[in-house]
Amino acid sequence: EVQLVESGGDLVQPGGSLRLSCAASGFTFSGYWMTWVRQAPGKGLEWVATIKPDGSEKYYLGSVKGRFTISRDNAQNSLFLQMNSLRAEDTAVYYCATNANWGFNYWGQGTLVTVSS
Amino acid sequence: QSALTQPPSASGSPGQSVTISCTGTSSDVGGYNSVSWYQHHPGKAPTLMIYEVIKRPSGVPDRFSGSKSGNTASLTVSGLQAEDEADYYCSSYAGSGGFVFGTGTKVTVL
Repeated sequence: EVQLVESGGDLVQPGGSLRLSCAASGFTFSGYWMTWVRQAPGKGLEWVATIKPDGSEKYYLGSVKGRFTISRDNAQNSLFLQMNSLRAEDTAVYYCATNANWGFNYWGQGTLVTVSS
Repeated sequence: QSALTQPPSASGSPGQSVTISCTGTSSDVGGYNSVSWYQHHPGKAPTLMIYEVIKRPSGVPDRFSGSKSGNTASLTVSGLQAEDEADYYCSSYAGSGGFVFGTGTKVTVL
């Protein structure tokens, strides 16, 4: 059974940093593109970042480029999102998801990031 | 990239059909056969319902179908059931490695 479990969400002050993790199991993690998607309170889903299976290519939403870094550890079946210079508008539930066939076929339950003073 | 445009809400009685539109541009929806649709019950993980415009993952009922014409994609739910009440989002590849989601549609089963 495919499982994606996010962790690391917390309350952080504006300008602060946070590192999210996503533990994967039940599939060959090293063979999949992986993505972070977020949902701000009362808002829709928003694509954040995607990483190639070997980590050699990374793509970002314009508003997070230069502040967020997506990475992965295939040996540990883990996906990460390092978030720096956090802003109030980054407040959201962050989901990790697997990419396949131009869609996101498996999702985690999400982890809440709140940016507030 | 700007979010794809969906109607905020749609509704139908049990057994009826509802169709949700998803309008983008030639740089996303119209440019690639990469539209996917997600069902999202609040507080839960989203579920992939349609990928590559018209394909259904195993386990998704054939009551769910997708289509596309030009820059607009559509999701049709036939034979509405109570458990279909949820938020629905479209998504499309937008080039240069990026993706874009729709604004979301709340489907109510009357």
